[in-house]
Amino acid sequence: DAGVTQSPTHLIKTRGQHVTLRCSPISGHKSVSWYQQVLGQGPQFIFQYYEKEERGRGNFPDRFSARQFPNYSSELNVNALLLGDSALYLCASSLNGNTEAFFGQGTRLTVV
Amino acid sequence: EDQVTQSPEALRLQEGESSSLNCSYTVSGLRGLFWYRQDPGKGPEFLFTLYSAGEEKEKERLKATLTKKESFLHITAPKPEDSATYLCAVHPTVTTDSWGKFQFGAGTQVVVTP
Repeated sequence: DAGVTQSPTHLIKTRGQHVTLRCSPISGHKSVSWYQQVLGQGPQFIFQYYEKEERGRGNFPDRFSARQFPNYSSELNVNALLLGDSALYLCASSLNGNTEAFFGQGTRLTVV
Repeated sequence: EDQVTQSPEALRLQEGESSSLNCSYTVSGLRGLFWYRQDPGKGPEFLFTLYSAGEEKEKERLKATLTKKESFLHITAPKPEDSATYLCAVHPTVTTDSWGKFQFGAGTQVVVTP
């Protein structure tokens, strides 16, 4: 069974640029969540989408946005990148957003 | 505000030396508590879900327990392949503000030496 897949696995961007990260959930899962994890810390909640609607938002600036497509895949967009946005970005899928979540391998974003 | 605190931050064990990790939480209401294992540079791997005080779950050398204020992850006779960071996360009772919002602790880094 295919798990949660994220692309790309690694990315290097320059300050001020824009980035799009992609996620495909486990087949049958209708909810996707995005998390940011910096070294030495636990994942921090950014967004959750269920049935293509935003259902939850963490304490992140408006530079962060996301959407979910009819096939339940999702994109996370970050505008005007800052050095502090360098982190591992994790996507998690779950059946309905309130059950256990299964994570992808993450996208390592480095902003220089 | 919801808070999750894990202790210790790091733990070094000899192979076969059993120990416990702690996850203390403060939430207005608990829908579920989750344990994950994370290897360096990888995404967290789901281990257990606990829903109510007194509940226990086991998987190989790992056993998770839950009380009203904390959860423990017991590692029995660990092997070097159990070396990882163990994360706990709480999911508050579902409200408009808490939907899908898992609150993670910082994790306990476990190293098991042969």
